[in-house]
Amino acid sequence: NVLTQSPGTLSLSPGERATLSCRTSQTLDKNFLAWYQQKPGQAPRLLIYAISNRATGIPDRFSGSGSGTDFTLTISRLEPEDFALYYCQQYASSPYPFGQGTRLEIK
Amino acid sequence: ELQLVESGGGLVQPGGSLRLSCVVSGFTLSNYWMHWVRQVPGKGLVWVSRINNDGSGTAYADSVKGRFTMSRDNARNTVHLQMNSLGADDTAVYYCARDLAPGYMDVWGKGATVTVSS
Repeated sequence: NVLTQSPGTLSLSPGERATLSCRTSQTLDKNFLAWYQQKPGQAPRLLIYAISNRATGIPDRFSGSGSGTDFTLTISRLEPEDFALYYCQQYASSPYPFGQGTRLEIK
Repeated sequence: ELQLVESGGGLVQPGGSLRLSCVVSGFTLSNYWMHWVRQVPGKGLVWVSRINNDGSGTAYADSVKGRFTMSRDNARNTVHLQMNSLGADDTAVYYCARDLAPGYMDVWGKGATVTVSS
């Protein structure tokens, strides 16, 4: 299963809405899709699991949605600390692939 | 506080071996599956391996199968990744991560850097 994220880079301003896409090459028959955030020099941080569930401590401006092969991470109003790399991952079974990432940068 | 601390990284020659360790604290290791994920600097995340609660079941990425072995010592709160026949494309930061069943990773270590070079 190959995960393709788009766009590769997203340039937005604080306060704007961000929409990040993740498309899987095979239908996800269970809701086993997660999103991670990674900042430079840091380990990834879990944001969303099971397509739409926020991890502990994640602000409600982050939301996940989708089904089948198309999934979306939405950040409703960008804060300065949200500019980072974002990865989706399917975990229905090994090899647990990640998408190639979307870089969210300040415009 | 939940914590994963990797160690054992370093510089190794092509064809050499290295053993990474991940010591966990703040939770009972035997209750969780664990993963290794690697990342070439400036590139994306790549899943490497996974081990179940008692170590009886493992899975590996095709790129490391037959060369890497993941193991665990629950009594010592430690997970290992034995890496043999290393090549330049194994150069990466290796992260240890906890699996919050059934496969997403909710706690990550800071990573251990492995450099394969002559």
